[in-house]
Amino acid sequence: SQQGEEDPQALSIQEGENATMNCSYKTSINNLQWYRQNSGRGLVHLILIRSNEREKHSGRLRVTLDTSKKSSSLLITASRAADTASYFCATQSGNTPLVFGKGTRLSVIA
Amino acid sequence: GAVVSQHPSWVICKSGTSVKIECRSLDFQATTMFWYRQFPKQSLMLMATSNEGSKATYEQGVEKDKFLINHASLTLSTLTVTSAHPEDSSFYICSARNNLVYTEAFFGQGTRLTVV
Repeated sequence: SQQGEEDPQALSIQEGENATMNCSYKTSINNLQWYRQNSGRGLVHLILIRSNEREKHSGRLRVTLDTSKKSSSLLITASRAADTASYFCATQSGNTPLVFGKGTRLSVIA
Repeated sequence: GAVVSQHPSWVICKSGTSVKIECRSLDFQATTMFWYRQFPKQSLMLMATSNEGSKATYEQGVEKDKFLINHASLTLSTLTVTSAHPEDSSFYICSARNNLVYTEAFFGQGTRLTVV
């Protein structure tokens, strides 16, 4: 069953601006992962944050995790047109399969 | 990261025929493979989980006789869509994981199936 819920569903920003996407989930997790998908393509793993971590950085990406609120955010700084894609959060508990959220479609306008 | 190769990347078939999609882990042994389906502008929905050498576990609502999954080796899993119908047209993505080595699962490039 779907666990993650991203918001917003769609986001349109100008190049150079920051993009923030949020994800909420329902049950306890071991980790939360963010993926990127270009239209009609496979998934690219962006970042994994464990349940005992609160913040993680990777290049222009910053992910936060608040387990008390069961929510996570993905911040992309200084966005580029090439960042245009759909972004999904996915949660994992133990060795269970990843459960994906509905995704946020990000459009970065040059 | 580890590499998962999925083949074919796209396929068009006639209604009533069967289509096989392959998912290979190229540089690691996949103890578990997952098959997802994604309809346009929607998220990935898990179809089934397969462990090497055992029968796949299907999610509720997924017909196991229609979507045949074989995980015969630690590097290969196949999904066969039998007697395909236009409503089976979708994007199918596999993912592979070695539970002992990696925390995350790795995804194939996906297969776009169009049934005409």
